[in-house]
Formats: sequence, structure tokens, C-alpha cells
Amino acid sequence: NAGVTQTPKFQVLKTGQSMTLQCAQDMNHNSMYWYRQDPGMGLRLIYYSASEGTTDKGEVPNGYNVSRLNKREFSLRLESAAPSQTSVYFCASSLEGVGGELFFGEGSRLTVL
Amino acid sequence: GENVEQHPSTLSVQEGDSAVIKCTYSDSASNYFPWYKQELGKRPQLIIDIRSNVGEKKDQRIAVTLNKTAKHFSLHITETQPEDSAVYFCAASSGTYKYIFGTGTRLKVLA
Repeated sequence: NAGVTQTPKFQVLKTGQSMTLQCAQDMNHNSMYWYRQDPGMGLRLIYYSASEGTTDKGEVPNGYNVSRLNKREFSLRLESAAPSQTSVYFCASSLEGVGGELFFGEGSRLTVL
Repeated sequence: GENVEQHPSTLSVQEGDSAVIKCTYSDSASNYFPWYKQELGKRPQLIIDIRSNVGEKKDQRIAVTLNKTAKHFSLHITETQPEDSAVYFCAASSGTYKYIFGTGTRLKVLA
């Protein structure tokens, strides 16, 4: 099993460009999450999907959109990238959702110039 | 909403000494408190967790304690080793699928 797979691992964008981060898990997990990690700020929740067909905002959703394409895949889209969105993005999944272990992907490092 | 504060932000200990990292949470409905370890350039991984019906949990050299009244929980690492050097994150969840993380503690174990 690959676990949680994120693509791309690295991306450089210019301000105003758009892009989509892809995430897929092969563990048959119900819940999926997108976090961003910035120095000194820990992991902040952008959006999550408790189950297929549902999505909800986290702590810092502004500037992002998500799609839970099916049970395996959860994508994060930046419609008009800004320098403030320079960060490392982690996708995670959980079988139980509530009170269950989060399994993280390897992360995607995004730089917006 | 939930807020989790974590201290200290950096911690240096001599190999073999103990390390303690503390977190406080704001939402009294929180009932699940995991700790994640992130080695340099890698993904966070769960090392131990505790639920609100338990006061303490141990797993070899690591332990977590929970004080629901004071709304704080702590990670204890005994007999620290160089491979314990990493960033540690606490988190809290109130059962709404949201896991709110602390800002992290960079632990350095000095040989």
C-alpha cells in the first residue's frame, strides 16, 4: 500500500496563477484533510472532508477550494495564488475521522513569487 | 472554536535526560489528544494519543498525561536519545472531525 500520495511534491507559481494539488489514499479511509505548515505556526487546517460527498471549512479556508472526487481522492485548488500561500501543504486521511489517527502524505512545497 | 497552545517552542536536553512538552486547549468538549512527531523533511507521524476518559498513557519511553479540569496535557519523553530529535505537535479534537494542532516544539537531544 502506498498510503497517502500527494502530487506535485514541488511547485513554483507566479502571483495570480492557479493550480491544483492532488491527493489520493489507498487505505479505504473515510475522512480526508488538507493542512498547511508554516514556520512557527504548526499545522493549520484548510479544509476537510468527513466522508465522500461532504466538505467543510477548517481554520484557514480563504483562497482555497476543495473537491472530494471520490472516496480515494481529495484535491485542493488555488484559483489565484498569492505569496501568502507559499507553504508546505499536507494531505491526510483517517479511517475513523473522529478520534482516529491521521495518516499524512509526504507534503507538497509550494512557492508563490 | 478550538485553540491549542504549545510550549516551549524549542527544547534542548542532554542525552539521557527527560523532556516535557505542554499543551493547553480551549474547548472543554475536546475529547481526543494525539501527539505527532515530525523528523526533518518528513511527514508527521502519530506517536501516542489519549482520550478524555483516561488520565495517563504510557508507551515505553513516552507518556502523555491529561488534566481535563485545567484543560492541559503533556508529553513526557524519558531517557532521551539522539533519534528523539524532531518537531513534536500536540493536537485536540472535539469529535467534529477537526484536529487543531499546536504550533510545535523543536526538541534537540544533545549527545
